[in-house]
Amino acid sequence: EIVLTQSPATLSLSPGERATLSCRASQSVSSYLAWYQQKPGQAPRLLIYDASNRATGIPARFSGSGSGTDFTLTISSLEPEDFAVYYCQQRSNWPPAYTFGQGTKLEIK
Amino acid sequence: QLQLQESGPGLVKPSETLSLTCTVSGGSISSSSYYWGWIRQPPGKGLEWIGSIYYSGSTYYNPSLKSRVTISVDTSKNQFSLKLSSVTAADTAVYYCNRIAVAGSDYWGQGTLVTVSS
Repeated sequence: EIVLTQSPATLSLSPGERATLSCRASQSVSSYLAWYQQKPGQAPRLLIYDASNRATGIPARFSGSGSGTDFTLTISSLEPEDFAVYYCQQRSNWPPAYTFGQGTKLEIK
Repeated sequence: QLQLQESGPGLVKPSETLSLTCTVSGGSISSSSYYWGWIRQPPGKGLEWIGSIYYSGSTYYNPSLKSRVTISVDTSKNQFSLKLSSVTAADTAVYYCNRIAVAGSDYWGQGTLVTVSS
């Protein structure tokens, strides 16, 4: 079973700052990695798929990078609405299976 | 606009079976481009994939839950369902249904809280 480890657990930043979130896989997941944003009381929202592709409607300030075991989600300039919990997720091609990281909480400093 | 809506009891007794249904509107569950799945989130904790189903009925389950999970699809009603047997307090969670594209889970239901308690 592939384990995803996200760091840091909590990130405290101010609006306008750059956020860098990390996700490390216990073995290679190629580029099959997605990022989700979740706000309190809401379902998660898909931000990035296949490591670096923005989902429909996602602002350009969100970007993803990495392959293999190390991945990064970058928010170039934080907006007030970006403070939330972020999860990475890997998918196995066959059989289809998914694993989530434990999440990074991005909070206002 | 595609919408997904979970329905089912919000309270289940220990050792009983949790049953939820997801109704899909604004699109067909029989599309060959998507899987349909369930993900849960215990209060204050992270996300856990439960399993997925294709419109043909092919199913894929989280190995840690496989012995207790059944996911089924009813294309005539545009619905898919989750059954989780022998529940304990550890199964208390918000349960989300979702559409799974190659990109990821791109549409989600609002989630429904299921509490396991006597």
